[in-house]
Amino acid sequence: KAGVTQTPRYLIKTRGQQVTLSCSPISGHRSVSWYQQTPGQGLQFLFEYFSETQRNKGNFPGRFSGRQFSNSRSEMNVSTLELGDSALYLCASSPQTGSLGNSPLHFGNGTRLTVT
Amino acid sequence: GNSVTQMEGPVTLSEEAFLTINCTYTATGYPSLFWYVQYPGEGLQLLLKATKADDKGSNKGFEATYRKETTSFHLEKGSVQVSDSAVYFCALSDRGTASKLTFGTGTRLQVTL
Repeated sequence: KAGVTQTPRYLIKTRGQQVTLSCSPISGHRSVSWYQQTPGQGLQFLFEYFSETQRNKGNFPGRFSGRQFSNSRSEMNVSTLELGDSALYLCASSPQTGSLGNSPLHFGNGTRLTVT
Repeated sequence: GNSVTQMEGPVTLSEEAFLTINCTYTATGYPSLFWYVQYPGEGLQLLLKATKADDKGSNKGFEATYRKETTSFHLEKGSVQVSDSAVYFCALSDRGTASKLTFGTGTRLQVTL
């Protein structure tokens, strides 16, 4: 079974631009979550999508948004990029159907975004 | 809110040494607890998990026991290998938001020959 695939692996953008990152979950997984990893703040939860609906949201500004398609693939968008948005963005999928339970997350290798 | 505290790294050990990485947590209710590992240039991989008090998670020689009385989930391995060099993250999730993990800051482990 193919793992979680994130594209692109690397991105360089300029302040003020916007960016879209893509994530293809493991086949059959309907839950997709996004995390931001930085040296200063560590790993922080952005949001989770299930069946094309946002089910949970972290404490990030509205510039960070996402969506999920009917095939469970997900995208996240960051508008008006700031230098502090430079990070590794990780996508994770889970076979979990309900919000209860403890199915582990399967992470992709991430997209490294650099904002200059 | 929830929080996870891990021991500061880096931890440097010789091959075959005993490993302990401390992890304590603060959470309401009965969270599930996880250890994830991150190798250079890669995402996170689940190492082990425990879902209720006194559960012991184990995998690849690593173990951790869910201790509710001390709110801890310390990671141990009896004999580390060079290939265990990586960053280890302790994490928890609430029962109602299982995909929303709260992570510790991570502990870098370096194993030398």
